[in-house]
Amino acid sequence: AQSVTQPDIHITVSEGASLELRCNYSYGATPYLFWYVQSPGQGLQLLLKYFSGDTLVQGIKGFEAEFKRSQSSFNLRKPSVHWSDAAEYFCATRRREYTDKLIFGTGTRLQVFP
Amino acid sequence: DGGITQSPKYLFRKEGQNVTLSCEQNLNHDAMYWYRQDPGQGLRLIYYSQIVNDFQKGDIAEGYSVSREKKESFPLTVTSAQKNPTAFYLCASSPSGTDNQPQHFGDGTRLSIL
Repeated sequence: AQSVTQPDIHITVSEGASLELRCNYSYGATPYLFWYVQSPGQGLQLLLKYFSGDTLVQGIKGFEAEFKRSQSSFNLRKPSVHWSDAAEYFCATRRREYTDKLIFGTGTRLQVFP
Repeated sequence: DGGITQSPKYLFRKEGQNVTLSCEQNLNHDAMYWYRQDPGQGLRLIYYSQIVNDFQKGDIAEGYSVSREKKESFPLTVTSAQKNPTAFYLCASSPSGTDNQPQHFGDGTRLSIL
C-alpha cells in the first residue's frame, strides 16, 4: 500500500542553523508530493508541492524540497531557521490516478532554540 | 478573502450524544474532505465528497456521518457509535478534477468528551 514515512518525530535546532526534514514515500511511479506546516491548534498550510519537472522545488517562508526518485525521498530544507518556524511539519502524497485522497506522514515536530 | 471556516473551535460531547461539526468554504471548490488528527498518527481521512449530494467513506468512517447538500458546506456528525471521538478534526477542500491543486485546510475543531 502507498505510504509516507517521516522518520524523525521530533527535531531541535538552534535559530540560524540549517534544517532538513526527511520524507520517504512508497509508490512505483512518480507521485504528487506536498509539505504542509501546522502551528499549534491551527490548520495546515501548504509550504510547497512537487508534480513534475525540476526536482528542486521552492516554497514559501524560505523553504525548499528536493525530489530524489532513486531514494524515494522528498526532504524539506531551510538554510537558516527562524524561531517562528517552530511547528509540526507533514509530508503528504497523492497518487496520480486518484486525485481525491492525500496520504500523510505522521509528522515531525520542530523546536527552535534561541 | 476566500477560505474554509470550521466551527466551533472547541466542542464537548457527552456520552451517547451526537455532535455536528460545521465546515463552510467560499473557494468555490467542488471537493471537500474531513480528517481526524491524533497525536503521533498524522491525519486520517474520514469522509470526502467530490460533488454535491455525493460522498464516499475514507479510511476511518465508522461512527461518523456526513452530508453534502450545498457545494459550500460539508458538516460532519460524530455519532454515539464513535467510541473514541476525542481528537482534532480538520476540514479541507480542493478543486475537483484538477489534480495539480493542493488541498486547503480550515483551522480545525477540537472535540473532547465530558
